[in-house]
Amino acid sequence: SAVISQKPSRDICQRGTSLTIQCQVDSQVTMMFWYRQQPGQSLTLIATANQGSEATYESGFVIDKFPISRPNLTFSTLTVSNMSPEDSSIYLCSVEGVEGDYGYTFGSGTRLTVV
Amino acid sequence: KQEVTQIPAALSVPEGENLVLNCSFTDSAIYNLQWFRQDPGKGLTSLLLIQSSQREQTSGRLNASLDKSSGRSTLYIAASQPGDSATYLCAANNTDKLIFGTGTRLQVFP
Repeated sequence: SAVISQKPSRDICQRGTSLTIQCQVDSQVTMMFWYRQQPGQSLTLIATANQGSEATYESGFVIDKFPISRPNLTFSTLTVSNMSPEDSSIYLCSVEGVEGDYGYTFGSGTRLTVV
Repeated sequence: KQEVTQIPAALSVPEGENLVLNCSFTDSAIYNLQWFRQDPGKGLTSLLLIQSSQREQTSGRLNASLDKSSGRSTLYIAASQPGDSATYLCAANNTDKLIFGTGTRLQVFP
């Protein structure tokens, strides 16, 4: 299965600022997925990122708040913009399996605290 | 709309017990179902993947079953150990999206 490097692993940010999270995959993948996990909650899909096109956002998430870049088949970034304490969560990227392995692999997550 | 539920929400057991974690989903038209483990504040580790055509998968002390018609999957953990303490998440794959369950927080004490 693919190996994903996600960074930063954690950060503490001031409200009103922005944070960009990066995910690097060790193989080429068509789609990358970004999730949010609020404290004590399960994972919620934010958006799906395809290379060369705009990301597709789930209901309740908008591009102005969570802009996503996908410049090539191995890399993606998620920015959390104009942060408030409600954005404090773990953010995770994910890719679907390759070479017949259809399970999903996740990055190690970014633990964000907004103060 | 797919909804995934896990029971129990939390479980605390002594070491050595055999455990069953339950996962229910409302839409049986899934491609597959995946079980994950999450340690506190960390990312997800894939444990088992069951394709829609399969009934079960096994890995070491873990066995996962799938009954699409009833919308259920179970994760069986044999001879539990303190190192198994974590949150266990199931996720149903519909239309290339993972829909996650609410999770079962497991604590195994010595």
